[in-house]
Amino acid sequence: GIQVEQSPPDLILQEGANSTLRCNFSDSVNNLQWFHQNPWGQLINLFYIPSGTKQNGRLSATTVATERYSLLYISSSQTTDSGVYFCAVGDSGTYKYIFGTGTRLKVLA
Amino acid sequence: DTAVSQTPKYLVTQMGNDKSIKCEQNLGHDTMYWYKQDSKKFLKIMFSYNNKELIINETVPNRFSPKSPDKAHLNLHINSLELGDSAVYFCASSPFNTNEKLFFGSGTQLSVL
Repeated sequence: GIQVEQSPPDLILQEGANSTLRCNFSDSVNNLQWFHQNPWGQLINLFYIPSGTKQNGRLSATTVATERYSLLYISSSQTTDSGVYFCAVGDSGTYKYIFGTGTRLKVLA
Repeated sequence: DTAVSQTPKYLVTQMGNDKSIKCEQNLGHDTMYWYKQDSKKFLKIMFSYNNKELIINETVPNRFSPKSPDKAHLNLHINSLELGDSAVYFCASSPFNTNEKLFFGSGTQLSVL
């Protein structure tokens, strides 16, 4: 099956810093999404981005499907950005989303 | 007007008991899922239903039995609970298949004592 790896596994930032999170996947996919799990456990869909680049406020994401990776950029980080960031890929032709191992982000005030 | 709602939010029970978690979505989606998140935060798919039909069963023990009475509901019944079943269980839905966005419920934290 498809393997999804995220890096770094853990990240500690000072408020205001920028960061890049990476998601690598082992096979072609027809869907890629980024999620933020906040400290209360809620999973919030950040981007649906099978290819190309999207921006939403301080967050942006880029997926290069042909090279099997996606990047999530967080600029001017805030303490509310803390939590776990997951990428999830859709296995082509199935009803299966496979989640990466996550990046645990802590933003310090 | 919650899009994907699941109940209860917390479930504490003794080993050997049977329990159920309910999930409902009001988005008109065709596909619903159950995911399990372990203590290391790893999210793994358990089941997927498309329009009430089971599509994916990811080698989950027979003690777990999903039921979809209609495409807006997907419940999870667990028999003979074991300590290792302690986890957070998330319900999710998407419009059709993996070409679409995935929406999650708020999770059910199950603790088996």
